[in-house]
Amino acid sequence: TQLLEQSPQFLSIQEGENLTVYCNSSSVFSSLQWYRQEPGEGPVLLVTVVTGGEVKKLKRLTFQFGDARKDSSLHITAAQPGDTGLYLCAPRKLGVDQLIWGAGTKLIIKP
Amino acid sequence: DTGVSQDPRHKITKRGQNVTFRCDPISEHNRLYWYRQTLGQGPEFLTYFQNEAQLEKSRLLSDRFSAERPKGSFSTLEIQRTEQGDSAMYLCASSLTGPSYGYTFGSGTRLTVV
Repeated sequence: TQLLEQSPQFLSIQEGENLTVYCNSSSVFSSLQWYRQEPGEGPVLLVTVVTGGEVKKLKRLTFQFGDARKDSSLHITAAQPGDTGLYLCAPRKLGVDQLIWGAGTKLIIKP
Repeated sequence: DTGVSQDPRHKITKRGQNVTFRCDPISEHNRLYWYRQTLGQGPEFLTYFQNEAQLEKSRLLSDRFSAERPKGSFSTLEIQRTEQGDSAMYLCASSLTGPSYGYTFGSGTRLTVV
């Protein structure tokens, strides 16, 4: 069974539009991180969420951790070409130190 | 600190040759991780160190792969008798210990086995 599912796998939209990407699992997590990766580079940490229901904002990006700590969403308002990249969800299972990595959502913002 | 450095950025090797990659983590970080990533996928865990101790190694990792962190600072990842299936981006990351800390990644080493 797949531990972590990110959706959609691929999203291509016009500059200025809003979008939401999702990270879902049947497991409960102690914390969850979102990273963005650009081609040819390593992932870069965007945010860490720890508490169920927690919402964090980073400029036009809004991150939410599900109440049950099994899922998370990332919403981007007025997307810009600079938002293009692979968005990776990386949670930690309870009692485990290692991050688990999803396959990511590849996002392309067209000017 | 200039972040996590990986060397080389690119490596092309013939099948059957050995290759070694180096990672210099952020100096204050006691944990160091190695990942492999192929196109369209997320990072796949290979191994990690806490200081100089190798604490975990992926069960999927062939015996041809070995990693060291001799003095708890830089680390090397060696692949012996390379195969075409080893072609991938090899990522190194470092972090402090604790669930709230994120990983800082290097830019990776792109390996192509021909």
